[in-house]
Amino acid sequence: GQQVMQIPQYQHVQEGEDFTTYCNSSTTLSNIQWYKQRPGGHPVFLIQLVKSGEVKKQKRLTFQFGEAKKNSSLHITATQTTDVGTYFCAGPGTASKLTFGTGTRLQVTL
Amino acid sequence: DAGVIQSPRHEVTEMGQEVTLRCKPISGHNSLFWYRQTMMRGLELLIYFNNNVPIDDSGMPEDRFSAKMPNASFSTLKIQPSEPRDSAVYFCASSLAGAGAFFGQGTRLTVV
Repeated sequence: GQQVMQIPQYQHVQEGEDFTTYCNSSTTLSNIQWYKQRPGGHPVFLIQLVKSGEVKKQKRLTFQFGEAKKNSSLHITATQTTDVGTYFCAGPGTASKLTFGTGTRLQVTL
Repeated sequence: DAGVIQSPRHEVTEMGQEVTLRCKPISGHNSLFWYRQTMMRGLELLIYFNNNVPIDDSGMPEDRFSAKMPNASFSTLKIQPSEPRDSAVYFCASSLAGAGAFFGQGTRLTVV
């Protein structure tokens, strides 16, 4: 079945440093979605990318969808303590089956 | 809209008891997902529905788990009998036509 892997599993940065998480799917995706889950919270939808090579920005967050539509990345510029949480990518496979990646836990310290 | 509503928020039960988790999706959404989250296994998709019809239940771990969606505004996930290894946070999420999914607050289940 479809597998979605993310690297790294965990990253600890100092406030102001940049952060990137990478997402790789075993199958081609119709689109890629990104979510953020704060500690003790629930996943919150951030964005959806649909087109091959698409790049979207949300303030300090930059999302990219690979040309082959099998990988994606999320880059955060100048991290802040409010960025703490786990970032998941998710890809709908067959019939809209939304499979989540393994997640990258981000810790930010002052 | 109040978002996806799950109940209860917390459930502690004894091994062997039946547990029923409830979910009210966002009005107008046509897809509903049940996920289980643990430290070891991450976010696992258990089952999902499109237009109230179960599409894929391959993630349901055992016959002890069952899910229903009798109408567009309500779904249940039942575990009978429950076991300690079922302890996890169970999330319900809904979406419209393949767009981003909106999650409920989750039900933290502890089976002792």
